[in-house]
Amino acid sequence: EAGVAQSPRYKIIEKRQSVAFWCNPISGHATLYWYQQILGQGPKLLIQFQNNGVVDDSQLPKDRFSAERLKGVDSTLKIQPAKLEDSAVYLCASSPTGWGNEQFFGPGTRLTVL
Amino acid sequence: DQQVKQNSPSLSVQEGRISILNCDYTNSMFDYFLWYKKYPAEGPTFLISISSIKDKNEDGRFTVFLNKSAKHLSLHIVPSQPGDSAVYFCAASEGYGGATNKLIFGTGTLLAVQP
Repeated sequence: EAGVAQSPRYKIIEKRQSVAFWCNPISGHATLYWYQQILGQGPKLLIQFQNNGVVDDSQLPKDRFSAERLKGVDSTLKIQPAKLEDSAVYLCASSPTGWGNEQFFGPGTRLTVL
Repeated sequence: DQQVKQNSPSLSVQEGRISILNCDYTNSMFDYFLWYKKYPAEGPTFLISISSIKDKNEDGRFTVFLNKSAKHLSLHIVPSQPGDSAVYFCAASEGYGGATNKLIFGTGTLLAVQP
């Protein structure tokens, strides 16, 4: 079974530029999550989708971050404009409905904002 | 407010010995706990979990203990192997299996198992 796919794996941008990350969850997984992991910290949930609806986006900085999950499968996370403090690894995870709380993570995208 | 805390940033043990990783939490509503392992340049992978109705769960070399009164859990790895060297994250959630059960992660403990 293929795992969670993310691209790109690495991205370097200047502050105030925009950037987008893509995630393809495990086939059949209804729930998709985006996490931000800053160096030395644990992953922090940014947004959670159930199919193509938003379940929780309480920690998403909505003035600069946006995310969508079209057709309940792939998802994109965008930052516009980026700030220095957005430098982090952005992790995508998915889980099947009713699976409990175990989530399956992708390899992440490491973003460096200069 | 750090609801899940891993106070040891790193731990070094000899191969074959026991590794004990600790985690404390503050939210009394948490009732499901998980441990994830993370290698460099990879995403976290699920290791083992425990529900608050239990105080112990075993899976091979890995055992998780939960002390609800102390709001403390620990992961025991016996015997430790060099391949266990990774960052270990403790995570907690309120409820089990619901669509809104988000995970709150600790800051991680880097385990180094010396050959």
